[in-house]
Amino acid sequence: DQQVKQNSPSLSVQEGRISILNCDYTNSMFDYFLWYKKYPAEGPTFLISISSIKDKNEDGRFTVFLNKSAKHLSLHIVPSQPGDSAVYFCAAALEGNQFYFGTGTSLTVIP
Amino acid sequence: NAGVTQTPKFQVLKTGQSMTLQCAQDMNHNSMYWYRQDPGMGLRLIYYSASEGTTDKGEVPNGYNVSRLNKREFSLRLESAAPSQTSVYFCASNNYGYTFGSGTRLTVV
Repeated sequence: DQQVKQNSPSLSVQEGRISILNCDYTNSMFDYFLWYKKYPAEGPTFLISISSIKDKNEDGRFTVFLNKSAKHLSLHIVPSQPGDSAVYFCAAALEGNQFYFGTGTSLTVIP
Repeated sequence: NAGVTQTPKFQVLKTGQSMTLQCAQDMNHNSMYWYRQDPGMGLRLIYYSASEGTTDKGEVPNGYNVSRLNKREFSLRLESAAPSQTSVYFCASNNYGYTFGSGTRLTVV
């Protein structure tokens, strides 16, 4: 039973435009959320996180939005760059312990 | 560089063979994890260790054993490999955000 879902397996965006990656979760007790980025043949790397007490966190071109009532978070990348092409995983955790990962969204930024 | 180191990077096993995947971290993290990544399945937790001397099962523990040798090292053992264990394996350590190793691509034929 997948507790964290990324319903879009892939996304293509033109360079310079906004990329929006979505993630839904089922457990309302999750209190910490993260996004990871993964290039082929490498391990996932941490991108940005958000605590459940916030609804937005921004780091440069990356912004994560959390809608607790909808159990939904999203990652916005503005402007998108070709180097952003990767697989993005969202993850959710309870009290910072075991993390549950989504299935990933493959982002392609077209030059 | 500080981080998580996994060995080997690639391995091919025959059905029934055994092997141990090694993982070490130098960030002094208490928690360590083993995940497998399969197409369309995301990252699934095999086992984790919340602290030195403790280990717990994750979502998909069957066919695996682990050892938390010390705070730095957390190994994953396949006693009798099966084709269903063909996957990419990631070790991670955690301090309110995972740091992952670069992965081990295992093929069981």
